[in-house]
Amino acid sequence: GQQVMQIPQYQHVQEGEDFTTYCNSSTTLSNIQWYKQRPGGHPVFLIQLVKSGEVKKQKRLTFQFGEAKKNSSLHITATQTTDVGTYFCAGRPGTYKYIFGTGTRLKVLA
Amino acid sequence: ETGVTQTPRHLVMGMTNKKSLKCEQHLGHNAMYWYKQSAKKPLELMFVYSLEERVENNSVPSRFSPECPNSSHLFLHLHTLQPEDSALYLCASSQGGQGGETQYFGPGTRLLVL
Repeated sequence: GQQVMQIPQYQHVQEGEDFTTYCNSSTTLSNIQWYKQRPGGHPVFLIQLVKSGEVKKQKRLTFQFGEAKKNSSLHITATQTTDVGTYFCAGRPGTYKYIFGTGTRLKVLA
Repeated sequence: ETGVTQTPRHLVMGMTNKKSLKCEQHLGHNAMYWYKQSAKKPLELMFVYSLEERVENNSVPSRFSPECPNSSHLFLHLHTLQPEDSALYLCASSQGGQGGETQYFGPGTRLLVL
């Protein structure tokens, strides 16, 4: 079946270090979304990527969509303690539903 | 954020009980979703309603029964659940219902089945 895998599952970084999470799909995606879930909270939408090779930036966050539209990445520059949480990608293989990735739990050590 | 509300926030029930989860969205959206979030597993889509019509039913056991009386309200009726059904149940809504839109999530109902 269709799967969306994310790596790493967990990441601990020192405050100020960079962080990257990768999302890989077994099938081509029409678009991909990224969400952040704070501990004890619910997923909150961050961004959507639609075009092959698309790159979008939000302050210290950089999102990329692969040329083949089967993978994506989220890079955070100079992490801060407010970045803690679980980051999910959600890919849409062309139907109503989004398939969520397994998530990467980020912990930032002050 | 109060765009999508869910009640109750916490629920403990026995395997023979019947309960219902409620979701309400105040965003004027026309699509609503139920997700299940278990520990160490990805978010699992359970049901999608678009314009009050169920358009996705992701092989969910019949002990979960959704109801969407209008575009602002969504229910999940629970009966004879199993302990493995314990999880965070998240409701979400979006505008358009075609699947390419941003989904706004509620705070979730944390369910424990004893």
